[in-house]
Amino acid sequence: GQQVMQIPQYQHVQEGEDFTTYCNSSTTLSNIQWYKQRPGGHPVFLIQLVKSGEVKKQKRLTFQFGEAKKNSSLHITATQTTDVGTYFCAGSGSGYALNFGKGTSLLVTP
Amino acid sequence: DGGITQSPKYLFRKEGQNVTLSCEQNLNHDAMYWYRQDPGQGLRLIYYSQIVNDFQKGDIAEGYSVSREKKESFPLTVTSAQKNPTAFYLCASSWGHRDYGYTFGSGTRLTVV
Repeated sequence: GQQVMQIPQYQHVQEGEDFTTYCNSSTTLSNIQWYKQRPGGHPVFLIQLVKSGEVKKQKRLTFQFGEAKKNSSLHITATQTTDVGTYFCAGSGSGYALNFGKGTSLLVTP
Repeated sequence: DGGITQSPKYLFRKEGQNVTLSCEQNLNHDAMYWYRQDPGQGLRLIYYSQIVNDFQKGDIAEGYSVSREKKESFPLTVTSAQKNPTAFYLCASSWGHRDYGYTFGSGTRLTVV
């Protein structure tokens, strides 16, 4: 079945540095969603990308969907300690439920 | 406020016992989902339901059962057939089409001893 792979698994940055996580699918996706899970919390929906090549921004976060709709990225500019958590991408292919990647855990030290 | 409620937050059970995890939503969402989260494994789909009285198996349904008798409720039973039930269980809901984001509950951490 469809698999969504995420890299890196962990990332440790100094506050103010940039951060990027990448998501790759074995099949073409109809859309991709991104979620954030704070330590001890539950995933919270951030955004959905639908169109090929789409780019969306939320303040310091930039989300991209690849031209082939098989990959996506999340870039955070000038990280802050509030960005700590695990970021998941989730793909929607032919099925009716999302397939989640394993996530990238971001640690930000002041 | 609308939301999705999971209870209890922590649950301890002896090996061999069945246990039911509660999930209730008042968002009027059509679809509901159960995911299991293990360290370093991401979220794996157990069961999902698009409408009342209908549900489908996910990737790891063995040892689990669900029911969807009401739109608001989607309880998950972890049976004694589940070989490794200790995990963090997350319930989610959405408007039913795959193009909508999920709202997650705060999760139930199940420990089987």
